[in-house]
Amino acid sequence: DAGVIQSPRHEVTEMGQEVTLRCKPISGHDYLFWYRQTMMRGLELLIYFNNNVPIDDSGMPEDRFSAKMPNASFSTLKIQPSEPRDSAVYFCASSLRPRGNYGYTFGSGTRLTVV
Amino acid sequence: AQSVSQHNHHVILSEAASLELGCNYSYGGTVNLFWYVQYPGQHLQLLLKYFSGDPLVKGIKGFEAEFIKSKFSFNLRKPSVQWSDTAEYFCAVNARDSNSGYALNFGKGTSLLVTP
Repeated sequence: DAGVIQSPRHEVTEMGQEVTLRCKPISGHDYLFWYRQTMMRGLELLIYFNNNVPIDDSGMPEDRFSAKMPNASFSTLKIQPSEPRDSAVYFCASSLRPRGNYGYTFGSGTRLTVV
Repeated sequence: AQSVSQHNHHVILSEAASLELGCNYSYGGTVNLFWYVQYPGQHLQLLLKYFSGDPLVKGIKGFEAEFIKSKFSFNLRKPSVQWSDTAEYFCAVNARDSNSGYALNFGKGTSLLVTP
């Protein structure tokens, strides 16, 4: 299995532009999570999905952030308009029945820089 | 909601020294516990996890962790560190009861630097 695949690996954009981050979870995993990592705040959960349905989006910072999961093999995190304070590493993770004896597998992350 | 505290933000050790990183969580119910490692520029990788059974858990690369329920702790240990253990270490908790979410709650992380 190729693991959780995120794209792009790096993104540099100007303030005000729209940014779209992509994630392909491990096949068969029914939970997908989006995390944001910054020096100041560490790893924060933004949103997670179960069977393509958003379950908890309380971590989404504000209306500029939106996430979708149109099918079991693809999810996007969109920021519109982007701001410099959105600069961070964004990780996607997937899991099979997280409360059972299964782990969470993380992607390599997208390093976003908003200038 | 659960919270996770990692006491040491930065640790510097010489090679062959012993390591213990503290992790405490605040949640009264049953939990799953994890330690993840993040090498420079890389993604998080699972070191070890505890779900039930023997509270002393052995993971990869010689790491182990002990779950002490009475202390709400899950400290990570390694008897002899190597330069290649230089990384960021994250403790994480997931509550197992039905009223809690499925996501992992992470501590702020401990940055470990191992010097030759």
